[in-house]
Amino acid sequence: DIVLSQTPLSLSVTPGQPASISCKSSESLLHKDGKTFLYWYLQKPGQSPRLLIYEVSSRFSGVPDRFSGSGSGTDFTLNISRVEAEDIGVYYCLQGLQSPRTFGPGTKVEVK
Amino acid sequence: HVQLQESGPGVVKPSEILSLTCSVSGSSITSYYWSWIRQPPGRGLEWIGEISHSGRTTYSSSLQSRVSMSMDPSKNQFSLRVTTVTAADTALYFCALGASPFTWGQGILVTVSS
Repeated sequence: DIVLSQTPLSLSVTPGQPASISCKSSESLLHKDGKTFLYWYLQKPGQSPRLLIYEVSSRFSGVPDRFSGSGSGTDFTLNISRVEAEDIGVYYCLQGLQSPRTFGPGTKVEVK
Repeated sequence: HVQLQESGPGVVKPSEILSLTCSVSGSSITSYYWSWIRQPPGRGLEWIGEISHSGRTTYSSSLQSRVSMSMDPSKNQFSLRVTTVTAADTALYFCALGASPFTWGQGILVTVSS
């Protein structure tokens, strides 16, 4: 199975400041069709997870443009350009290249 | 707008079978892939498995000996079955649209306890 790691595991950010979360995969997530199947989710306290980013850098419907994804192969990053209070929660990456799918351990983001 | 709703018992006895159903509205289950994910209290997300629009299944390596999924197109529902449960199976169980989920249900807490 593909293993995902995330750093940091927790993050405290001042509102208005940027934040960055890294996700590393044990194998390349590049498919032979040229797409890379790495996804980002946010789970706010008491809620179901919500898809933010699919295929590394595409924002899902309704996701604010302060969220962006980048990376390739095995190394990926989720960036929040200016953190807002509503961005608190746990961020997870997921690999969708092969089944079984696997999640990263999660990064807990708190706002100072 | 696709909506998913999990249903089933909130408490299951050790060694018994956990059975959950996901009711889908806004889309036919024969059109997409569907998945189950769980989250033990205070912990991260664990992908359990997926079922395709044609009923083909793939399961987590750690759970595949105890897990099965099925679908009932007549009711627009799909189901999860976990056998021989232990306390380690206590979790919030989510059903979702897509093998890499796009839309999630609200989740159902299942506690394994005698």
